Amino acid sequence: DQQVKQNSPSLSVQEGRISILNCDYTNSMFDYFLWYKKYPAEGPTFLISISSIKDKNEDGRFTVFLNKSAKHLSLHIVPSQPGDSAVYFCAASAMEGAQKLVFGQGTRLTINP
Amino acid sequence: DAMVIQNPRYQVTQFGKPVTLSCSQTLNHNVMYWYQQKSSQAPKLLFHYYDKDFNNEADTPDNFQSRRPNTSFCFLDIRSPGLGDAAMYLCATSKELAGLNEQFFGPGTRLTVL
Repeated sequence: DQQVKQNSPSLSVQEGRISILNCDYTNSMFDYFLWYKKYPAEGPTFLISISSIKDKNEDGRFTVFLNKSAKHLSLHIVPSQPGDSAVYFCAASAMEGAQKLVFGQGTRLTINP
Repeated sequence: DAMVIQNPRYQVTQFGKPVTLSCSQTLNHNVMYWYQQKSSQAPKLLFHYYDKDFNNEADTPDNFQSRRPNTSFCFLDIRSPGLGDAAMYLCATSKELAGLNEQFFGPGTRLTVL
């Protein structure tokens, strides 16, 4: 029972264009969502988050959009840079009750020069 | 720099031979987590400590145990590794338990079982 799903294992984007990574969840109790970025031989690092009271959160080149009715979120990176090449994990939790983070399988993003 | 350190980075063990993975943190965080990540799969939480309180996930096999002798260190013990336990093991910390708290990850230990 996978509660957080990233259906695209990989994505290839041209440098300078927009990268869109998608994530779907099934548990309606989730109200806080995060994106983590992972380079080879390193642990995941926090990138950006959004709570369910918002539908958009922006931080520089990174924007996360949340569609609660569709139980879908997406990460937009614009413009994409070669250093953005990494595996991106979507994660979800509930803010109350000390709930754990539930991760998706990850999407490997490759930015081509 | 404050960080989460995992040793060793690569561990090879034999089928059935106990193995211990180590995690230390300089962040002084209350919570330490152990995740198992198999190839192309999501990191899966095995258990966590809030201070000295141990919390096991319901589906974590009994073969996996953990110790936290002090705030800084946490160990993952695999009593009798099987071939299916070959994976990346990630340690993470957070200041508090609630969902809003960012988790900081170590680089992971890749376990091979021969």
